[in-house]
Amino acid sequence: SQTIHQWPATLVQPVGSPLSLECTVEGTSNPNLYWYRQAAGRGLQLLFYSVGIGQISSEVPQNLSASRPQDRQFILSSKKLLLSDSGFYLCAWSAHSPGELFFGEGSRLTVL
Amino acid sequence: RKEVEQDPGPFNVPEGATVAFNCTYSNSASQSFFWYRQDCRKEPKLLMSVYSSGNEDGRFTAQLNRASQYISLLIRDSKLSDSATYLCVVSNTGKLIFGQGTTLQVKP
Repeated sequence: SQTIHQWPATLVQPVGSPLSLECTVEGTSNPNLYWYRQAAGRGLQLLFYSVGIGQISSEVPQNLSASRPQDRQFILSSKKLLLSDSGFYLCAWSAHSPGELFFGEGSRLTVL
Repeated sequence: RKEVEQDPGPFNVPEGATVAFNCTYSNSASQSFFWYRQDCRKEPKLLMSVYSSGNEDGRFTAQLNRASQYISLLIRDSKLSDSATYLCVVSNTGKLIFGQGTTLQVKP
């Protein structure tokens, strides 16, 4: 069966520090991969999606970036965090597009 | 205007009540529609897809009105375990766009 792992689960970072969130999917090949952010009291905002290795589409201009170095690995990064980057970050995969999204357990980021 | 709009609630209902959530979407070319459920501080999970003819899954009924660009979710005989946030989701050009969610609290 397919599983998705995301880490770290929780992190507290100072403003201006770098960020790296990692996500891996097991049990499937060539998944569509997504990064969403959910700010407090708000809906999920699509940040990046990828249909294959090295193929990244950005939905919102910001100081975040994403990379897909391997088929089932998706990384969200920032060189310098802002206060507004705080939120709940969710990685997800789907077998096809559009299709059911399967989410990781999320990474709760607090920028101080 | 947001692409997907929902009444955030919260909806506070007693056990056994029937409750309905509504959702509107702005892009008439939207192709697929879903309801997801998100428990507090957890990841969203698919509750059900929404089909043009309407569909039912146990106590849950979903309906789609393409002319009005409107989706609904009806929950009958509410249980305490139904307390959660319900997210309306619309597919545009292959991407899933989420509403901000409607929070339901079922009280004993």
